[in-house]
Amino acid sequence: DTEVTQTPKHLVMGMTNKKSLKCEQHMGHRAMYWYKQKAKKPPELMFVYSYEKLSINESVPSRFSPECPNSSLLNLHLHALQPEDSALYLCASSQGLERNYEQYFGPGTRLTVT
Amino acid sequence: AQSVTQPDIHITVSEGASLELRCNYSYGATPYLFWYVQSPGQGLQLLLKYFSGDTLVQGIKGFEAEFKRSQSSFNLRKPSVHWSDAAEYFCAVGGNQGGKLIFGQGTELSVKP
Repeated sequence: DTEVTQTPKHLVMGMTNKKSLKCEQHMGHRAMYWYKQKAKKPPELMFVYSYEKLSINESVPSRFSPECPNSSLLNLHLHALQPEDSALYLCASSQGLERNYEQYFGPGTRLTVT
Repeated sequence: AQSVTQPDIHITVSEGASLELRCNYSYGATPYLFWYVQSPGQGLQLLLKYFSGDTLVQGIKGFEAEFKRSQSSFNLRKPSVHWSDAAEYFCAVGGNQGGKLIFGQGTELSVKP
């Protein structure tokens, strides 16, 4: 099973709301990722977790707060977002952080900030 | 510096015609190369990958790619395109910093009936 699941599929939130995105994988992968993708652009890396510890934070604003409760789950907590944060948020996982490990992506959450 | 260039932003081919999408990379060491496809509003699906060995790599959905070290290229090919192949295609290289994928800007493929 090479599936990464994400919920919800769509999310509309106001700038004062707090919401969370969820990601789950059951492939036994030890690395998990959050990406942000704008239309017609490649995904931009936001965070990387390895063995449930934050490995990379690509200078993401603090209104995005990642959490890795266990090796299968990855959350992204959202608070006080701006309209420019509207995008497709993709989760991915891989066996590890080595360069040769391919990443498997979920279907994404389409976020709209009003 | 590590980078990936996809020179073609948009390509249109007729259904049944052959396809080649270009990808050039800049990387100091042995590159680990990937092609992903993304249908509208969907996540990325891995088509194929190259690590070492045979320079012609077979992937899913009838795609193949050829690694040419002398040209720093990893072009994606398909002998006969289907309407369902219309999507965005991303070439990527595994970066030095653990877990980072360096993506090209993508090539949008349209398929004419």
